[in-house]
Amino acid sequence: EPEVTQTPSHQVTQMGQEVILRCVPISNHLYFYWYRQILGQKVEFLVSFYNNEISEKSEIFDDQFSVERPDGSNFTLKIRSTKLEDSAMYFCASSEVLSYEQYFGPGTRLTVT
Amino acid sequence: AQTVTQSQPEMSVQEAETVTLSCTYDTSESNYYLFWYKQPPSRQMILVIRQEAYKQQNATENRFSVNFQKAAKSFSLKISDSQLGDTAMYFCAFMSRNTGNQFYFGTGTSLTVIP
Repeated sequence: EPEVTQTPSHQVTQMGQEVILRCVPISNHLYFYWYRQILGQKVEFLVSFYNNEISEKSEIFDDQFSVERPDGSNFTLKIRSTKLEDSAMYFCASSEVLSYEQYFGPGTRLTVT
Repeated sequence: AQTVTQSQPEMSVQEAETVTLSCTYDTSESNYYLFWYKQPPSRQMILVIRQEAYKQQNATENRFSVNFQKAAKSFSLKISDSQLGDTAMYFCAFMSRNTGNQFYFGTGTSLTVIP
């Protein structure tokens, strides 16, 4: 069964550094999402992406964040200058255009020190 | 704004018994979808069951079924014949196309199945 994959599984970075989290969505899916889950808190929506542009973003997704689909398979989340409060598990998800089921990746645990 | 509430942070059940996880939500939307996702210790969320709000019939997937009460904005998950592999975090989620297909999640219920 096709799966969403994410790399790396764990990323440790220093405050102020840039990080790029990578995701490979399911190949025939056209909607892509990023969510984050701070330890002990609920999963929160960050951004959705369709047709090479952001279709929706939350208040969390400020100018420090950006997303990109650099080629036909990868979907990336970049945090320009990480803060301690960016430490969280980041989940990528994808869905077919007309489907309401989102398939989630295993997550990348980001630790900012 | 949409909110999803799961009031049971932790639950446990004996193997082969039945357990019900609670979820309530708040929305002004009339057309929406509700989901239960399971997150095993390996951390990948997997869809358990989905309910369309316009359907009156409760969704069922093998040992998993829901009790959807639209007027009460309640969406509980019943797991019958619990198995050790059901041990996981369970998230209730809401989605409406009018709000851009994003999911709104509850805080989760950690379920432990005891042998």
